[in-house]
Amino acid sequence: EVQLVESGGGLVKPGGSLRLSCAASGFTFSNYFMNWVRQAPGKGLEWVSSISSSSTYIYYADSVKGRFTISRDNAKNSLYLQMNSLRAEDTAVYYCARANPLRDHAFDIWGQGTLVTASS
Amino acid sequence: SSELTQDPAVSVALGQTVRITCQGDSIRRYYASWYQQKPGQAPVLVIYGKNNRPSGIPDRFSGSSSGNTTSLTITGAQAEDEADYYCNSRDSSGNLVVFGGGTKLTVL
Repeated sequence: EVQLVESGGGLVKPGGSLRLSCAASGFTFSNYFMNWVRQAPGKGLEWVSSISSSSTYIYYADSVKGRFTISRDNAKNSLYLQMNSLRAEDTAVYYCARANPLRDHAFDIWGQGTLVTASS
Repeated sequence: SSELTQDPAVSVALGQTVRITCQGDSIRRYYASWYQQKPGQAPVLVIYGKNNRPSGIPDRFSGSSSGNTTSLTITGAQAEDEADYYCNSRDSSGNLVVFGGGTKLTVL
């Protein structure tokens, strides 16, 4: 079964750090661009970051640039998001999602999400 | 970067046809995708590319595009189609991803 499973969310104080992980299974992870997308409580989806299959290309939303770092380990079929200098507005459910080049790079597989709460 | 604009809310009578739209300059250049999200669940891809459905998505869902507007049409809406719908595409650089603000669909 094709699957993405996020972990690492939790409660952190503003200014703190957290590292999210996304474990992939059921497909050749190293062939795909991967993404992080977040959703603040009661709000819409917001793209956070993308990383190419071999980590050559990395992109960030302006809202997280300089604070968040995306990375991947293809040997471990895992995607990561290191979040530093967290702010209250970073509170959200964070999803990892696969971009499929055979589907015009649509996000065709999503994890169940992990909740990050930045609050004192 | 560019923005994608969606109507915040749309309603449709059971069994009728509804169109949900998404506008943005990048639509002229890049295909958009559509996602359905029900409360407490992760988004699900329903339309990608010109007008393609992943397996398992009912054929009452279809997509179209004209100029700077892309549309998701549900022909014969069902109660289970009540959800939030999001479009996404790339920004003008082609490197960044942008989502529309979402449309809450109510099936009456």
